[in-house]
Amino acid sequence: GAVVSQHPSWVICKSGTSVKIECRSLDFQATTMFWYRQFPKQSLMLMATSNEGSKATYEQGVEKDKFLINHASLTLSTLTVTSAHPEDSSFYICSASQGGTQHFGDGTRLSIL
Amino acid sequence: QKEVEQNSGPLSVPEGAIASLNCTYSDRGSQSFFWYRQYSGKSPELIMSIYSNGDKEDGRFTAQLNKASQYVSLLIRDSQPSDSATYLCAVRGLYGNKLVFGAGTILRVKS
Repeated sequence: GAVVSQHPSWVICKSGTSVKIECRSLDFQATTMFWYRQFPKQSLMLMATSNEGSKATYEQGVEKDKFLINHASLTLSTLTVTSAHPEDSSFYICSASQGGTQHFGDGTRLSIL
Repeated sequence: QKEVEQNSGPLSVPEGAIASLNCTYSDRGSQSFFWYRQYSGKSPELIMSIYSNGDKEDGRFTAQLNKASQYVSLLIRDSQPSDSATYLCAVRGLYGNKLVFGAGTILRVKS
């Protein structure tokens, strides 16, 4: 149980492109999902908390207009990186909360050329 | 002071030995504690959760929590090369579901 699917797993695109990443809880409903970013050899950094039916809560220093989060249902949250630039290249990971425990998706490796 | 601190390692242990991973946290109000394992290039996977003082065992893994000392540890018995990974300690406070992660400890089990 507690399977979280994240798609796509790998994206390469040109600078200026917008990229959408999907996070789905497959066998449970998640009112709260989280988006993390991880740079090489660093730990996970929380970007934002996604709440179903309401606006996301962003961590300090994360631009909400650049990283658009939508949590339209109890099983799906999306992160859109708008006008992506090379410095946005990173490993993006979502998690879904079930009973207070976070279960992670497989991550999306984003490379901006 | 970082909220959750771990020794970055690498911690090297021979196959079959006990690996001991440690974590300290700064928020005395923390209520829930988690150990995740992360293989290179992969996302974290939950190994153990612990909520009350003492030991919690699950197979070869034992989590230990001491809230007075603000210390949580993970013991891996009969370490295997497949246990080689980065181990992340995560802490959740009294309110909300947000986790704070440590930087992780790299474990290398040598055969």
